[in-house]
Amino acid sequence: AQTVTQSQPEMSVQEAETVTLSCTYDTSESDYYLFWYKQPPSRQMILVIRQEAYKQQNATENRFSVNFQKAAKSFSLKISDSQLGDAAMYFCAYKQGNMLTFGGGTRLMVKP
Amino acid sequence: DAMVIQNPRYQVTQFGKPVTLSCSQTLNHNVMYWYQQKSSQAPKLLFHYYDKDFNNEADTPDNFQSRRPNTSFCFLDIRSPGLGDAAMYLCATSRGVGQGPQHFGDGTRLSIL
Repeated sequence: AQTVTQSQPEMSVQEAETVTLSCTYDTSESDYYLFWYKQPPSRQMILVIRQEAYKQQNATENRFSVNFQKAAKSFSLKISDSQLGDAAMYFCAYKQGNMLTFGGGTRLMVKP
Repeated sequence: DAMVIQNPRYQVTQFGKPVTLSCSQTLNHNVMYWYQQKSSQAPKLLFHYYDKDFNNEADTPDNFQSRRPNTSFCFLDIRSPGLGDAAMYLCATSRGVGQGPQHFGDGTRLSIL
């Protein structure tokens, strides 16, 4: 069974600074997808960024980028120029076939 | 435009009284999922439909059932809710095997009196 581990239950960042959220996963598959989702308090879960395992290039979406290390099974999320609206729970997720497995989440706090 | 719509947003029911949560999608996706999410925890998959094929997770309580009458709609039925079933229930969709991320609805927060 696949497992996804987020070792940081909580993180804090100063507004305008950069923060990196870590995620590791365990799989024997070679073809899969990795995602970061953001869930603000009492709000809808939304997709932040995705990475296909067969692509070596790290995905980037505006201020959000990932560091995908396939051999190490590591998939960290970097948020640059942090904004107050970035405060939320962040979930790393692994998808293989129809199944999406979530990590335990990291609560990100942004200090003004 | 909302693509995955869950109704109601908040639901209160009595201990042991059956309750149904609904989800609809405008994406025409093949796969629909139901997740249970308790406070500050990751979503836990209850079951999913691939078209009409129902797939139950091994540890989903028998108390939980689902129906998918057509592509657009999927229902979660809780036959005899217990206090431990109070949670946020999330509906999600995806196109199919290895295709596309899952799109989530806003969720239904279920409270048990």
